[in-house]
Amino acid sequence: GESVGLHLPTLSVQEGDNSIINCAYSNSASDYFIWYKQESGKGPQFIIDIRSNMDKRQGQRVTVLLNKTVKHLSLQIAATQPGDSAVYFCAENMGTGFQKLVFGTGTRLLVSP
Amino acid sequence: DSGVTQTPKHLITATGQRVTLRCSPRSGDLSVYWYQQSLDQGLQFLIHYYNGEERAKGNILERFSAQQFPDLHSELNLSSLELGDSALYFCASSSGAEDEQYFGPGTRLTVT
Repeated sequence: GESVGLHLPTLSVQEGDNSIINCAYSNSASDYFIWYKQESGKGPQFIIDIRSNMDKRQGQRVTVLLNKTVKHLSLQIAATQPGDSAVYFCAENMGTGFQKLVFGTGTRLLVSP
Repeated sequence: DSGVTQTPKHLITATGQRVTLRCSPRSGDLSVYWYQQSLDQGLQFLIHYYNGEERAKGNILERFSAQQFPDLHSELNLSSLELGDSALYFCASSSGAEDEQYFGPGTRLTVT
């Protein structure tokens, strides 16, 4: 079943394109950020994280960019595939010494073959 | 498969009732987190337990309570249910209090 609301911003791309998903976070003191992927009917799945002492981190086909000046986070997916179709959430950690995650509203990524 | 299990998958109950959702963390994980995902509120943190003790609370209603048992499984109790409690409830676990969280498949609660 569907796991998120019906009014999410949606990004539609063609297979093979690069995708960029953006997120604004709220707390300038947050020091840890995570991107999650949620496929229909499943729980969120960790993609990549970044700490506030970095401005860029790369994984396999994914890159996260952090701009602390404007409290902005982005997720770049290279060579997007149909299997990347999902809802993507950013999360910021509001806790110290433990994780207390606050999630963004999410962006739905639709990849056409 | 994240290794986190949740039961039941689906639960349908009436307003005013009480239900218990169960979560078994990944083997060896000491932290358990509960989240609520609804259409209008998105994914919200409810509560975090570490090795049997409550570590952090989020937007958890007084009608809701949770506990983590000595075997590290956790239960989320929801009482005096209202229509607005209908949502997906996720459990996540991590090895420590600051480590990557692995989410379970969720329990879909429908209150009629």
